[in-house]
Amino acid sequence: EAQVTQNPRYLITVTGKKLTVTCSQNMNHEYMSWYRQDPGLGLRQIYYSMNVEVTDKGDVPEGYKVSRKEKRNFPLILESPSPNQTSLYFCASSPNLVIAFFGQGTRLTVV
Amino acid sequence: QKEVEQNSGPLSVPEGAIASLNCTYSDRGSQSFFWYRQYSGKSPELIMFIYSNGDKEDGRFTAQLNKASQYVSLLIRDSQPSDSATYLCAAFTGGGNKLTFGTGTQLKVEL
Repeated sequence: EAQVTQNPRYLITVTGKKLTVTCSQNMNHEYMSWYRQDPGLGLRQIYYSMNVEVTDKGDVPEGYKVSRKEKRNFPLILESPSPNQTSLYFCASSPNLVIAFFGQGTRLTVV
Repeated sequence: QKEVEQNSGPLSVPEGAIASLNCTYSDRGSQSFFWYRQYSGKSPELIMFIYSNGDKEDGRFTAQLNKASQYVSLLIRDSQPSDSATYLCAAFTGGGNKLTFGTGTQLKVEL
């Protein structure tokens, strides 16, 4: 089954403790991206990647890192999470610039 | 000014009516526009994308693009209660491959 898989689905962590949210797709897509969704602010793109080793900032990259060492994986790294990074996160992938495949979401709470 | 703007709603329409959702954008360089539907707590689903001025129809959905006036709209004909969701407008902005979303319009289809 073609899918974008995010893990974990839910995470509660403490301020400053490094964490990684994984994103994997099995469709050989080149474009992958991360978004956060907050009430009243909608979906905002954090980072995107056009291909392996090619990443670029979206609208809200501060406090986040990404890497794209392989085509299928695009992890989101929070080196020192803070409470303002509490949010619902989505990963997405696509073969082109029609973003159609989203993961199930990761609900992160930073206390 | 936000790059992509939508009225947050809620927009209420009776079952069977036409729902009209609107979106404006500020980046004249934007070429690709997307409409997503999102049910509460779920991932966004791509409904339509449009690149050219005019109308694009797919089933009960019609996307309309007017680049001169910088607006995109989505018409939903024969609205059903299952269409009740938040509709997100998105566009590639900044001259690159960064996807920017509006904050979404909540649609309620009433029996």
